[in-house]
Amino acid sequence: QVQLKESGPGLVQPSQTLSLTCTVSGFSLTSYNVHWVRQPTGKGLEWMGVIWTGGSTDYNSALKSRLSISRDTSKSQVFLKMNSLQTEDIATYYCARGGGLYGSVMDAWGQGASVTVSS
Amino acid sequence: DIQMTQSPASLSASLGETVTIECLASEDIYSNLAWYQQKPGKSPQLLIYYANSLNDGVPSRFSGSGSGTQYSLKINSLQSEDVSIYFCQQNYDSPFTFGSGTKLEIK
Repeated sequence: QVQLKESGPGLVQPSQTLSLTCTVSGFSLTSYNVHWVRQPTGKGLEWMGVIWTGGSTDYNSALKSRLSISRDTSKSQVFLKMNSLQTEDIATYYCARGGGLYGSVMDAWGQGASVTVSS
Repeated sequence: DIQMTQSPASLSASLGETVTIECLASEDIYSNLAWYQQKPGKSPQLLIYYANSLNDGVPSRFSGSGSGTQYSLKINSLQSEDVSIYFCQQNYDSPFTFGSGTKLEIK
């Protein structure tokens, strides 16, 4: 069945880089897009960016200068890197499979990766 | 960017009641609107896409409607397991913005 799983360090020091991996199964990264969405505790969902089936990317303009999304299709993995982390980046980070007409209907989500920023 | 205004922020209703959540887009999104349910401590799950299409396995007491800039999610015969936060999201254009969420509780 379709599964996504986020992994990565739960603690990042201020000004350092966050690196997360989304490992997928049950579908191909060349057939479905993968989005990253984050959620500060007790708050709403923020769309961060997407890697499309062809390998191109789109980012939230508020994060674009700090964010990079890439993938390894042979390993069914999508990578998120975001630099210059601050306390406002404390959140649960989700990867989600995107489909539909514009590729952004998120029909399967990972369990989420909780990230804290602290020295 | 397309702004999504969701209301109400919170809602309390009795078991068996019908509730409605609204979402207003800042421009026409041509029915490219999804609704997600997030149960406490869990990841969001897709309920409805293209404004009114029920995702597989979603109970028929959930329904979506709307067009243009105005959309709504209706839950009939409220059940205890419907306690969740509900989010709308426009799927029309990047950035694919979400509404601020509606927290649904049982009276």
